[in-house]
Amino acid sequence: NFMLTQPHSVSESPGKTVTISCTGSSGSIASNYVQWYQQRPGSAPTTVIFEDNERPSGVPDRFSGSVDSSSNSASLIITGLKTEDEADYYCQSYDISNQYVFGTGTKVTVL
Amino acid sequence: QVTLKESGPVLVKPTETLTLTCTVSGFSLSNTKMGVSWIRQPPGKALEWLAHIFSNDETSYRSSLKSRLSISKDTSKSQVVLTMTNMDPVDTATYYCARIRRLRYFDWLSFPDYWGQGTLVTVSS
Repeated sequence: NFMLTQPHSVSESPGKTVTISCTGSSGSIASNYVQWYQQRPGSAPTTVIFEDNERPSGVPDRFSGSVDSSSNSASLIITGLKTEDEADYYCQSYDISNQYVFGTGTKVTVL
Repeated sequence: QVTLKESGPVLVKPTETLTLTCTVSGFSLSNTKMGVSWIRQPPGKALEWLAHIFSNDETSYRSSLKSRLSISKDTSKSQVVLTMTNMDPVDTATYYCARIRRLRYFDWLSFPDYWGQGTLVTVSS
């Protein structure tokens, strides 16, 4: 089964940059698109990146995404970290049957 | 303004059937570029996709749960219904419905762009 693995947690100070990785277990993550979702404590997820690096309206440009085919991974980059960015983040892509696969999730802590 | 709201029982007994309803507004279930998906999240765990349905009644189910799931829609009522049979305590989770949108260049794929608030379902005798 295709899986997406993320680091359990990352921490950084306000104003700094954090990068969250999302590594595919097989195949080529670059052959399908990757989305990223933010889930603040006690809230539903919201979409912060779609189609690898597109931001929905209302999402600040501090959020960006990238894909690296050589490492079969995608990344979510948050620059100018703010306390409001403290949340769980999930990547999402697709398996060989085109079904959604979510990553294991990463907790971002703003120190 | 797009909104989705889940409704259904908060507590079900093992072996019972769960029926959840998602009522949407701000978009039509007849829109060919949109659909609705159900996604769940056990307490403290990651998101898990369950099923989705599009305007043309195209459906897809999580392979491991396919025999237990059924998704349908009533366009006139702006509602999507998910049923899951033979509930077990491991099915305890927050169940979200989400609007899904087809990707621009890979239109056989989609992603959730708006999410409901979720509803916690506990399976216990």
